[in-house]
Amino acid sequence: SQKIEQNSEALNIQEGKTATLTCNYTNYSPAYLQWYRQDPGRGPVFLLLIRENEKEKRKERLKVTFDTTLKQSLFHITASQPADSATYLCAGGGTGRRALTFGSGTRLQVQP
Amino acid sequence: NAGVTQTPKFQVLKTGQSMTLQCAQDMNHNSMYWYRQDPGMGLRLIYYSASEGTTDKGEVPNGYNVSRLNKREFSLRLESAAPSQTSVYFCASSEGDGGHNEQFFGPGTRLTVL
Repeated sequence: SQKIEQNSEALNIQEGKTATLTCNYTNYSPAYLQWYRQDPGRGPVFLLLIRENEKEKRKERLKVTFDTTLKQSLFHITASQPADSATYLCAGGGTGRRALTFGSGTRLQVQP
Repeated sequence: NAGVTQTPKFQVLKTGQSMTLQCAQDMNHNSMYWYRQDPGMGLRLIYYSASEGTTDKGEVPNGYNVSRLNKREFSLRLESAAPSQTSVYFCASSEGDGGHNEQFFGPGTRLTVL
């Protein structure tokens, strides 16, 4: 079955550094990858979408890449801040398939 | 503009009891979704409605039923709750279906089945 896999271990980094989160997909080829942020006790919030024919997408301090050869997306937060601490979810979707498949998320902790 | 609203926020049920989780959106979205989130499992799709009048099963539909009451509202019913249904339930909506549409999520319902 199609899977989106994210590192379940928490990522701890120092304020000001770049955080890099990984999302791998298996058994299918999503046409789109989406990234969401989830804070404790709240619903996910959409951050970025990247299409399979786009190598890279940026939004302010966020950057996401889509590598169809490696079957992987990388999500970067530059100049990280303690307020960036949250769980980040990756989700894959297709043009024909109607629903997104979500990964289990990676928790990011930015230390001041 | 409230976005996606869910009621109740918390619920405790005994095994065998039934209940309905309510969801409404005010963004005039066509598609709506119900997910459950368990520790280490991520969001798993229970049911979705691509448009008013249609519903489809997701990854984990057993033990649940849904109703797309109108364009705004999409409810999830547990007919006979089981401890395995203890979870956090999220409703979401999007303008249309397909992977190019971002989803907007509600605040969640935390359900415990004893």
